[in-house]
Amino acid sequence: LAKTTQPISMDSYEGQEVNITCSHNNIATNDYITWYQQFPSQGPRFIIQGYKTKVTNEVASLFIPADRKSSTLSLPRVSLSDTAVYYCLVGNSMDTGRRALTFGSGTRLQVQP
Amino acid sequence: EAGVAQSPRYKIIEKRQSVAFWCNPISGHATLYWYQQILGQGPKLLIQFQNNGVVDDSQLPKDRFSAERLKGVDSTLKIQPAKLEDSAVYLCASSPRTSGGTYEQYFGPGTRLTVT
Repeated sequence: LAKTTQPISMDSYEGQEVNITCSHNNIATNDYITWYQQFPSQGPRFIIQGYKTKVTNEVASLFIPADRKSSTLSLPRVSLSDTAVYYCLVGNSMDTGRRALTFGSGTRLQVQP
Repeated sequence: EAGVAQSPRYKIIEKRQSVAFWCNPISGHATLYWYQQILGQGPKLLIQFQNNGVVDDSQLPKDRFSAERLKGVDSTLKIQPAKLEDSAVYLCASSPRTSGGTYEQYFGPGTRLTVT
């Protein structure tokens, strides 16, 4: 299983940029890196996915170095509503079950006013 | 586009009782997942369906948990009999068939189960 390691928690203030790093030293060649966001009492929500270099969408950027052993989720100018748990997953849709769908404990981001 | 629907949202039962959860995935999504999320932990995959066939149920406690996906659409997850440690949120997710290795799961709101 492609195990991921993330910080347990992070604190930030409104308007700051937040970078959450995930380590995945045994990532496989065909694995993608996917980040989810989860608010209390809700299911996780897809944020962004990438394979290498940089991916950007309307809510976040994902930076992946050449060795792909880690990735960084970047949230620009966070607001109070970004307070949530963020999960990093590695896997490939051609894999099944536990190989592709192992969530770690996630990173609890707390944004202060 | 309607999201993943789950019911009930909350359920309280006594240990040794039975309970069933229902999930309606997004229309056209071939893959359906059931997860168990214990408070403070990440979701743990219990079972994955591809259409109406089981792809992976290696983490499903089969002595008490069962799941089915009739006609490749709706799914039910049953616990019989329940134990105190089954108290958790049960999440259903679905994803479309994709190519190239990428995938995106869409999660329902979950069912919060309390076993007393």
